[in-house]
Amino acid sequence: DTGVSQDPRHKITKRGQNVTFRCDPISEHNRLYWYRQTLGQGPEFLTYFQNEAQLEKSRLLSDRFSAERPKGSFSTLEIQRTEQGDSAMYLCASSLKILFGVNTEAFFGQGTRLTVV
Amino acid sequence: KQEVTQIPAALSVPEGENLVLNCSFTDSAIYNLQWFRQDPGKGLTSLLLIQSSQREQTSGRLNASLDKSSGRSTLYIAASQPGDSATYLCAVHRRTDYKLSFGAGTTVTVRA
Repeated sequence: DTGVSQDPRHKITKRGQNVTFRCDPISEHNRLYWYRQTLGQGPEFLTYFQNEAQLEKSRLLSDRFSAERPKGSFSTLEIQRTEQGDSAMYLCASSLKILFGVNTEAFFGQGTRLTVV
Repeated sequence: KQEVTQIPAALSVPEGENLVLNCSFTDSAIYNLQWFRQDPGKGLTSLLLIQSSQREQTSGRLNASLDKSSGRSTLYIAASQPGDSATYLCAVHRRTDYKLSFGAGTTVTVRA
């Protein structure tokens, strides 16, 4: 088990382009989260999957953002028509839900640093 | 809505001094609380997880306490070292949410 893996680690894109990030969670984890973090702030919740179902989506997530988790394994986060305000670190985390909602420790990946120029 | 506050925002101490980092949260109906470490430009590394039924958790030089009724957690780092310099974040998993809610973090500098 190599932990949560994110790809790419860095992405520079021009405003208006589409970008896609990938997250591979710890293999037995059924919960997967996406967060966004800007400089000096704590991570902000974007969306959450339990297995392949997207159960919650933040109001921060505009229509330009979409996330998928096909077959409950890896997940992708796509941003369409990127804007400079999308520049941030995008973090993925996974955990395991056991027994009546009890959650185990959440593990984060190294993040994808997005810069929109 | 769960509000998580970390005080102080920054801390600078000489090597060897003990560190005390505070975290407060507004909604005491939580599953657990987790402390993370973040180095500049990196992801988050989990340090300790405290379940809501626990009052304390220890790992090496780290000790975290949880007082759910008052909405507080404290992370103690004994005998600090320059390698402990990082930002420390606490996050709370509320019973009514799926997500972890984070504080803004405390940035620690340990001077050699």
